Amino acid sequence: DQQVKQNSPSLSVQEGRISILNCDYTNSMFDYFLWYKKYPAEGPTFLISISSIKDKNEDGRFTVFLNKSAKHLSLHIVPSQPGDSAVYFCAASDRGSTLGRLYFGRGTQLTVWP
Amino acid sequence: EAQVTQNPRYLITVTGKKLTVTCSQNMNHEYMSWYRQDPGLGLRQIYYSMNVEVTDKGDVPEGYKVSRKEKRNFPLILESPSPNQTSLYFCASSPRGGGYEQYFGPGTRLTVT
Repeated sequence: DQQVKQNSPSLSVQEGRISILNCDYTNSMFDYFLWYKKYPAEGPTFLISISSIKDKNEDGRFTVFLNKSAKHLSLHIVPSQPGDSAVYFCAASDRGSTLGRLYFGRGTQLTVWP
Repeated sequence: EAQVTQNPRYLITVTGKKLTVTCSQNMNHEYMSWYRQDPGLGLRQIYYSMNVEVTDKGDVPEGYKVSRKEKRNFPLILESPSPNQTSLYFCASSPRGGGYEQYFGPGTRLTVT
């Protein structure tokens, strides 16, 4: 059973507009959340993270929002650029678990068109 | 340059012919892990290693073996590859443990015919 879900396989946005990628999780023990970006023929690269004690974290054009009561997080990219076109993976972890692992969603393909 | 390297990057093989995909990191990370990526399924963990002494199964370990004899290397072994192991494989490492940021290698595209 998937514990991290990205329900939109794809998203298309015009350059300069906001891109909003969504992610839902089911495990209430998750306390750390990450977003990764993946270009074709490359490995995923870490983008931004957020701890469950926060509800927002910003890094330049990228902002992650966390709504713990809804078990939902989102990644906002403003303004979107063609170079942002990639697959975005949401991931979560329970840092108190002895298993020590990340649970990944299935990814959302973002396309930013000029 | 701090990095995770994998070899080979591309491999075409036949059913039943044993193969090893190597993974090496030069960041002195304790934690290492293997994932496979398949269309529509995202990243699924195969095996992980908390340190040289601890290795355990992930979500899809069947048909795979791993070895962690030294900190920097974590090879993935397919004793008898089958076509359902055709996939894109990623090795990753982490300085703070598996529940934190992991740094991925460039991937190995494996085709088993």
